[in-house]
Amino acid sequence: QKEVEQDPGPLSVPEGAIVSLNCTYSNSAFQYFMWYRQYSRKGPELLMYTYSSGNKEDGRFTAQVDKSSKYISLFIRDSQPSDSATYLCAMKAGTASKLTFGTGTRLQVTL
Amino acid sequence: NAGVTQTPKFQVLKTGQSMTLQCAQDMNHEYMSWYRQDPGMGLRLIHYSVGAGITDQGEVPNGYNVSRSTTEDFPLRLLSAAPSQTSVYFCASSYSAPGRAEIAKNIQYFGAGTRLSVL
Repeated sequence: QKEVEQDPGPLSVPEGAIVSLNCTYSNSAFQYFMWYRQYSRKGPELLMYTYSSGNKEDGRFTAQVDKSSKYISLFIRDSQPSDSATYLCAMKAGTASKLTFGTGTRLQVTL
Repeated sequence: NAGVTQTPKFQVLKTGQSMTLQCAQDMNHEYMSWYRQDPGMGLRLIHYSVGAGITDQGEVPNGYNVSRSTTEDFPLRLLSAAPSQTSVYFCASSYSAPGRAEIAKNIQYFGAGTRLSVL
């Protein structure tokens, strides 16, 4: 079993829809949680990060962490065609140097 | 600021050939790492370095060597290329100096990637 599980999709939604992307994890030591966005043939770029449990909002994006359920989510409101990309969750323990990534969910927002 | 620069962007090798993937960053980041990305596997850590002269193995280090002689550069060497090493390779860097906020370690900046095919 992988440490981080993420549905690969693809997920296709119409423009303006609310998108929910999720990851589950098994390592209870993970404390830092991130979402990276990767456009086709580009490197990943950090979109959101949170520490421990709770919500964090940034414009149309909300990151949510539920450590008791070992479950994290990224919500995208008013989705745009420019949001079409692969979204990777990543996480790490406090003292670790490395990030553990999910496999990524491919999102397509259609006109 | 160029960020993280990877060269080459594309490469085709024959089985058994060796090559070096270059990675350079101009942000004075201490921490640098190499990942490979394969369909359905996500990003897997190959090797990483927490500073000049210090390297360590990641999840999938076999067949790869690294060195870190300067803060800026972190080359990845394929010793004898195999078809299983066909992948997209990403280099990333971040801060990790003592005294900075722990959270800063997590902001890894990625290069644009090197697409490698081994025939």
